[in-house]
Amino acid sequence: GGIITQTPKFLIGQEGQKLTLKCQQNFNHDTMYWYRQDSGKGLRLIYYSITENDLQKGDLSEGYDASREKKSSFSLTVTSAQKNEMAVFLCASSPGLNQDTQYFGPGTRLLVL
Amino acid sequence: GQQVQQSPASLVLQEGENAELQCNFSSTATRLQWFYQRPGGSLVSLLSNPSGTKHTGRLTSTTVTKERRGSLHISSSQITDSGTYLCAMERGSNAKLTFGKGTKLSVKS
Repeated sequence: GGIITQTPKFLIGQEGQKLTLKCQQNFNHDTMYWYRQDSGKGLRLIYYSITENDLQKGDLSEGYDASREKKSSFSLTVTSAQKNEMAVFLCASSPGLNQDTQYFGPGTRLLVL
Repeated sequence: GQQVQQSPASLVLQEGENAELQCNFSSTATRLQWFYQRPGGSLVSLLSNPSGTKHTGRLTSTTVTKERRGSLHISSSQITDSGTYLCAMERGSNAKLTFGKGTKLSVKS
């Protein structure tokens, strides 16, 4: 088995601040994903990465940057936090892109004051 | 518009009752996936199938791709089944998952 770790668990930021969320997996999976979950809405894909140093935009990439520094880690940066923003950011990984089960981390809860 | 619609939005059951969760999608899908999320917890993949019926334990997933609908049946519900069930439509690859808003299930004793 393996595990996905997300840090921090809770993130409180100020309007306009640049905020970075980190994700680590020890499954040795090739593909990693970042999703945003808002209350009352489904998950939306922000960025994904097929392998180390690869980066692909999802449906919600505007306002975010991502970095796949090595196979086991994938970080997400909110380039300018929006006031009153509140969401959960979920990281996931899968062996590949094609019909493989995605495994999710516990999430980072963001609140912008 | 919303590409994946789940119903009902919420469901309250007595322990032992069966649950039927529906998922309708507005465009062509290659596969339907079901996930479970406990309050404040991460998502866990339950079942996925391109078409037909698939079972695991007390869960049965049925997908009718041509009719753009699917369902998740939970038999003999237990209190620990409480949480949010998310349906996701896959369009060609894992990266193209479109999620519904979820069905919140509460099972009471």
